Amino acid sequence: EAGVAQSPRYKIIEKRQSVAFWCNPISGHATLYWYQQILGQGPKLLIQFQNNGVVDDSQLPKDRFSAERLKGVDSTLKIQPAKLEDSAVYLCASSDPGLKYEQYFGPGTRLTVT
Amino acid sequence: LAKTTQPISMDSYEGQEVNITCSHNNIATNDYITWYQQFPSQGPRFIIQGYKTKVTNEVASLFIPADRKSSTLSLPRVSLSDTAVYYCLVGRRSNDYKLSFGAGTTVTVRA
Repeated sequence: EAGVAQSPRYKIIEKRQSVAFWCNPISGHATLYWYQQILGQGPKLLIQFQNNGVVDDSQLPKDRFSAERLKGVDSTLKIQPAKLEDSAVYLCASSDPGLKYEQYFGPGTRLTVT
Repeated sequence: LAKTTQPISMDSYEGQEVNITCSHNNIATNDYITWYQQFPSQGPRFIIQGYKTKVTNEVASLFIPADRKSSTLSLPRVSLSDTAVYYCLVGRRSNDYKLSFGAGTTVTVRA
């Protein structure tokens, strides 16, 4: 079974630039999550989708972050404009809606903002 | 969500058993205890979940005392590849279940 795919794996941008991350979840997983993991900390949930609808985006900085999952499968997370404090690993995860405690994570995208 | 407390780091040697204890004094009746493992440069991975007593799978064992105010993740005969961060999470298995990660315990296994 293929795991959660993410791209790119690494990205370096300057502050005030924009960046986008892509995620392809495990086939059949209706629930998709984006997390931000700052060095030395545990992952923090940014947004959760159920199919193509947003379930929880309470911790998403909506002035600069946006995410979509138009067809209920792939998802993109965008930052515009980026700040230095956005430097982190962005993790995508997916799960079966009935098993949200067991999430499958992708390898993440390491973002460095200079 | 119940607050959890676990050691920041632990050192061990190959072949030893590693026990990581997590405190969750205000755990609710319907809460389950879940552990995740995160290797360097990878996303977290679900290891085990339990409600009470003991749960065992091919990776680890989870011991939960009767009062459920703490739990212990046991990794038998660790190898260098078990070096990782281990997260203890507590929450209700409901439709709005959310993973709330703390800093976790960094386990370093030495040869």
